[in-house]
Parts: sequence; structure tokens; C-alpha cells
Amino acid sequence: SQTIHQWPATLVQPVGSPLSLECTVEGTSNPNLYWYRQAAGRGLQLLFYSVGIGQISSEVPQNLSASRPQDRQFILSSKKLLLSDSGFYLCAWSSPAGTGNYEQYFGPGTRLTVT
Amino acid sequence: AQTVTQSQPEMSVQEAETVTLSCTYDTSENNYYLFWYKQPPSRQMILVIRQEAYKQQNATENRFSVNFQKAAKSFSLKISDSQLGDTAMYFCAFMNPNDYKLSFGAGTTVTVRA
Repeated sequence: SQTIHQWPATLVQPVGSPLSLECTVEGTSNPNLYWYRQAAGRGLQLLFYSVGIGQISSEVPQNLSASRPQDRQFILSSKKLLLSDSGFYLCAWSSPAGTGNYEQYFGPGTRLTVT
Repeated sequence: AQTVTQSQPEMSVQEAETVTLSCTYDTSENNYYLFWYKQPPSRQMILVIRQEAYKQQNATENRFSVNFQKAAKSFSLKISDSQLGDTAMYFCAFMNPNDYKLSFGAGTTVTVRA
């Protein structure tokens, strides 16, 4: 069965510090991968998605970047955090195109607080 | 991105009763997918149910069922025999299979009372 991991679970960082959040998926090959951000009590905003190694699409201009160095690894980064980067970050995966499966499955999330 | 609207910010239901959550969406596509996700206090997003737009039959998963009205662009979720564990935020989501991206509604917080 497939599992998705995210770490760290919780992170408190000062303004101006760098960020690296990691997401890995097990039990599947060539998944589509996604990064979402959720503000408190709000819906999810898609930040980045990837259909393959090195292929990243950005949905909103911002202080963040994403990378996919391996097939089942997705990293969210920032060189200098802003207060507005605080939130709950969720990684998700779905089956690749052509499989007929469109569900996205989410990791446990990372709660980021920028102070 | 598609627009997904959940007009009920909060709903409360007595244990064992039924509650219905509304969702409407805006699209010009004919083929698409709709989902309901549950986010309990742990904040883990859990897929509850999915509906393919080309299927007329409404999807059912145990105590969860949907009322899909394609012409009205409506996709409501009914929770029957509500349980305390159903307390969570529920999100409606739309997917265009051409881009695999989900558009979420703002969510409805459901509280089940003992």
C-alpha cells in the first residue's frame, strides 16, 4: 500500500531564516506530487505541483520554491521566511496520467510558525 | 482555477441524526471529478467520497452519500447516522482531469453533539 510522509511535523522559525520541508511517498512510482498551504480555518491553496523529476509548476508567485530531486521526493524551500509564510503545509500525491485514478492522498502536514 | 462554493461555514447535528452539506461549483467542462474530504482536528485530510461527472448514479460510501446534480452544478454530501467521530471540517473539491489540480471550497465545520 502507498504511504506519504512529511517532516518535520511542527516547525518554528524566525523571520529571514531558510526553510526546507520534505515529503516522500512509498509504494508507488512516478506519482504526481503537490504542495498546498492552508491558513487557519481556511481552505487549501495549491502552491506547486510536479508530474516528474525536475518538473515543477508554480501556481502562485511567492517567497517559496519547490524541487523534486527523486521520483518520490518533493521538497518545499525558502531562502528567507516571511511572517506571512506561517501556515499548515500539506503534501499530496496522485497516480500519474493515464491510470484513470484522480484522487489525491495527503500527508499529515507540517505546521510552520514564523516568528 | 475552478470556483467551488460551500455556503455553510458551520453546521451542528445531534448524534445519530442526518446532516447535509452543500457545494456548488462553476465550470464549462463536461468531464470532471468531484470529491469530499474530511479534516478532523488532527488536520489529516481524508478522502471521503468521489463522483465522476459522467456517472449519473450518486456515489455512496457507507454512511456518506452525495446528491450530484450536474445541470445545477451542485454536489451535496449527506452524512447519515452521525457519529461523534464525524466532527471535522469538510471540504468539497473539483478536479479537471486535464490538469490533475484540485480546487477546494472554503470548508464547512461539522460538529456532532452527543
